[in-house]
Amino acid sequence: DSGVTQTPKHLITATGQRVTLRCSPRSGDLSVYWYQQSLDQGLQFLIQYYNGEERAKGNILERFSAQQFPDLHSELNLSSLELGDSALYFCASSVPFETQYFGPGTRLLVL
Amino acid sequence: GENVEQHPSTLSVQEGDSAVIKCTYSDSASNYFPWYKQELGKGPQLIIDIRSNVGEKKDQRIAVTLNKTAKHFSLHITETQPEDSAVYFCAASIVNTGNQFYFGTGTSLTVIP
Repeated sequence: DSGVTQTPKHLITATGQRVTLRCSPRSGDLSVYWYQQSLDQGLQFLIQYYNGEERAKGNILERFSAQQFPDLHSELNLSSLELGDSALYFCASSVPFETQYFGPGTRLLVL
Repeated sequence: GENVEQHPSTLSVQEGDSAVIKCTYSDSASNYFPWYKQELGKGPQLIIDIRSNVGEKKDQRIAVTLNKTAKHFSLHITETQPEDSAVYFCAASIVNTGNQFYFGTGTSLTVIP
């Protein structure tokens, strides 16, 4: 158990809908990272937050957004969902400039 | 930006044999190289990491070597066991610049009993 929690574990929704994925980092970690992993694909970096501020952006679609709250938990919002958005979404956390610890992921299925 | 290549994409070994996975990186400024193991349906788990001031690091059956000149690093698993079967990812990062990780594409390791 890495100490990073993600909810929900599974999510099934329809095209065009909007969902919110939640991540609670390890105690003491200030940075949160979001990744997308499609079937048989690697880890695609989406976005990083540090202590509430956006720190880095990767291949994140405009339909996706994220934020980190004062209690350091983070939410990833996915809107206007398409079939191709079906994937595993991982959150990771770290203290500044140290290794990242991954959560168990949220499996999103868009029908 | 950084580009990390990982080989092979799939690897099958007999139980008890060794497995080696190799990664190359492009940015000579990268100075932190973690390895993750991902079992089916689970999140990636850190198994070993190495910093650029060290050439080799061992942890029981797992070792990582780093060649800064050639810009490549490798994961070595000795005396493989069926529970080593998983997907392994390498990554490269520049610590102290936000710590964005650049991941390789993964190696699916199968250990045959």
